[in-house]
Amino acid sequence: AQSVTQLGSHVSVSEGALVLLRCNYSSSVPPYLFWYVQYPNQGLQLLLKYTTGATLVKGINGFEAEFKKSETSFHLTKPSAHMSDAAEYFCAVRPYNQGGKLIFGQGTELSVKP
Amino acid sequence: DAGVIQSPRHEVTEMGQEVTLRCKPISGHDYLFWYRQTMMRGLELLIYFNNNVPIDDSGMPEDRFSAKMPNASFSTLKIQPSEPRDSAVYFCASKGQANTEAFFGQGTRLTVV
Repeated sequence: AQSVTQLGSHVSVSEGALVLLRCNYSSSVPPYLFWYVQYPNQGLQLLLKYTTGATLVKGINGFEAEFKKSETSFHLTKPSAHMSDAAEYFCAVRPYNQGGKLIFGQGTELSVKP
Repeated sequence: DAGVIQSPRHEVTEMGQEVTLRCKPISGHDYLFWYRQTMMRGLELLIYFNNNVPIDDSGMPEDRFSAKMPNASFSTLKIQPSEPRDSAVYFCASKGQANTEAFFGQGTRLTVV
């Protein structure tokens, strides 16, 4: 069965510091990969996605992620954290040929200190 | 487009009562998903539909849960009877055939007391 592991349930950074949220997946076939963000009492909003092609993908709000097949990773980064980035972040994998359903990691809560 | 619309946003009910959660997908989308979010289990898929037909309901916890999609613009998730352990946030999401990603509603926060 495919799975997603997010290392660290809680990450805290200072404003202006680098944000790195880690995601590893297990899949025999390269899947589609996603990062979603959830603000308090809100639904999930797509940050970025990898389907095919360029392995470095850019998303909204200055976030980007790199698909590394050899490491089965899809880590999320942002060069400089902003207070408004405080939220919960979910990595998800869409297994091949399974109708678009998503398998989510456990989530990482990002705190940004002033 | 207004996005995926879920109602109610909050529901508090007593154990043993029937609860119905509602979802209106984005117009033109032919996939609809129901997810549940809890602290213990995170985000888990309960069931999904394609063209109003249930495709995978392996995530439905037990017979107390049922989901229907009578037409392309409406779906319900029903719990009967409800139990305190059903307390969670329930999300509906939809996806078009041409989309790679799903679009989520705001969720329904269910509390069973």
